[in-house]
Amino acid sequence: DGGITQSPKYLFRKEGQNVTLSCEQNLNHDAMYWYRQDPGQGLRLIYYSQIVNDFQKGDIAEGYSVSREKKESFPLTVTSAQKNPTAFYLCASSPWAGKQETQYFGPGTRLLVL
Amino acid sequence: QQPVQSPQAVILREGEDAVINCSSSKALYSVHWYRQKHGEAPIFLMILLKGGEQKGHDKISASFNEKKQQSSLYLTASQLSYSGTYFCGTELLISSGSARQLTFGSGTQLTVLP
Repeated sequence: DGGITQSPKYLFRKEGQNVTLSCEQNLNHDAMYWYRQDPGQGLRLIYYSQIVNDFQKGDIAEGYSVSREKKESFPLTVTSAQKNPTAFYLCASSPWAGKQETQYFGPGTRLLVL
Repeated sequence: QQPVQSPQAVILREGEDAVINCSSSKALYSVHWYRQKHGEAPIFLMILLKGGEQKGHDKISASFNEKKQQSSLYLTASQLSYSGTYFCGTELLISSGSARQLTFGSGTQLTVLP
C-alpha cells in the first residue's frame, strides 16, 4: 500500500534538546511539505521541498531545519531555538504540479515539551 | 494571505444541510477541501480549479466562484460521520516554483448530532 508514514506518533522534548521527526513516502511524489498545527488552528507551512537536495522555507521556518537526501524521505529537526515547539506536526507530499493533484498527509507526530 | 473560512463552527442534526465558505483576497488557481478528525491527518475531499467549476461526490459538493475568489462546500443530509474540522487550502494563481503551495484557512468545526 502506498502512503506517507510519520514517526514517532508522540515525541517528548526536553529543554535545549534537538529532536527529529521522520517522514517517509512511497508514493513516488516529488514534493514534500512540513506543517505545524496548533490547537484550534489551521496548518502553517514550515518547509517544503520540490526535489532532492533542495528545500525552501515556509511561513514559520525559524527554529526548524530539514534535509532531503532521498526522494522518499523528508525529516524535520526541531531545534532548541524553537521556543514553543508543542504542536501537532504534519508531513505531506504531492506529485509534480499537475492540474488535478493535491497534497496528501501523513498521520502526524504530536510533540510535547517536558 | 490566509483564506477566511466561515462559519467557525456549526452544529447540525443528522439529515440537515450545511454550507462552509472559504474566501481569499488574492486571485486563486485552485481550492482544496479537507476534513480532519481530532488528532488525525486531514483527508482530501476535492479540488476546485479556476474556471468556476462545481464538483461533488455522494452528498458533499463544492463550488468555486472565480469572480469572488470564494469557494463553498455543501454538505447535504449530513451524517454522523461528517463531524470534524473542515479546512480549505488555497493555491494562488501566481505562485513561485512548481510545488503545490497551499495556504490553509483556520477551519470550520462541524458537529453532527443524532
